[in-house]
Amino acid sequence: QVTLKESGPALVKPTQTLTLTCTFSGFSLRSSGMRVGWIRQPPGKALEWLARIDWDDDKFHSTSLKTRLTISKDTSKNQVVLIMTNMDPADTATYYCARMVPGGAWCFDYWGQGTLVTVSS
Amino acid sequence: QSALTQPPSASGSPGQSVTISCTGTSSDVGSYNYVSWYQHHPGKAPKLMLYEVTKRPSGVPDRFSGSKSGNTASLTVSGLQAEDEADYYCSSYAGSNNLVFGGGTKLTVL
Repeated sequence: QVTLKESGPALVKPTQTLTLTCTFSGFSLRSSGMRVGWIRQPPGKALEWLARIDWDDDKFHSTSLKTRLTISKDTSKNQVVLIMTNMDPADTATYYCARMVPGGAWCFDYWGQGTLVTVSS
Repeated sequence: QSALTQPPSASGSPGQSVTISCTGTSSDVGSYNYVSWYQHHPGKAPKLMLYEVTKRPSGVPDRFSGSKSGNTASLTVSGLQAEDEADYYCSSYAGSNNLVFGGGTKLTVL
């Protein structure tokens, strides 16, 4: 059974750095073809893809947020970490981590429940 | 990149069919068959309903089907059921290792 769960602070101040952790089970990021991504959804707005990391440590980031994002993995802990710098109130959103369909399709077959991050002073 | 365009709402009565559109550009929907659809009940994890335009993951009823023409993809839900009421989002690969989502459509079962 594949599960993912996001964890991190619910509240961050403007200019601070956000660190979110995705802890997953039911698959391994050591396995060929496995990929995990992050997606966010500001209140009342569209989903936005943020970043992805692959089993071979390839990393891809949203063009618009590339300079602010770092994604990494700890395969021994079954975790993927997303770091976003210089947080702004516009970054207030529910942040999801999700597993991508193994094998190349650009879509997510299992999602976490999401974690709401509010950026406010 | 801009979000894909979806109608904000759609509705139908039980048993009817409803189609939700997802309009992109020649740089995303029009160029790749990597269009996916997600069902999202608020407070729950989104669920993948269709991928690569027409493929259904295991467990998704065949009442859900997809198609694409030019820069517009569509999700059709046939034989509407009460549990189909949810938000639906499309997504498309947009080249250069980027993914774009639609703004979402709230489906109401009357």
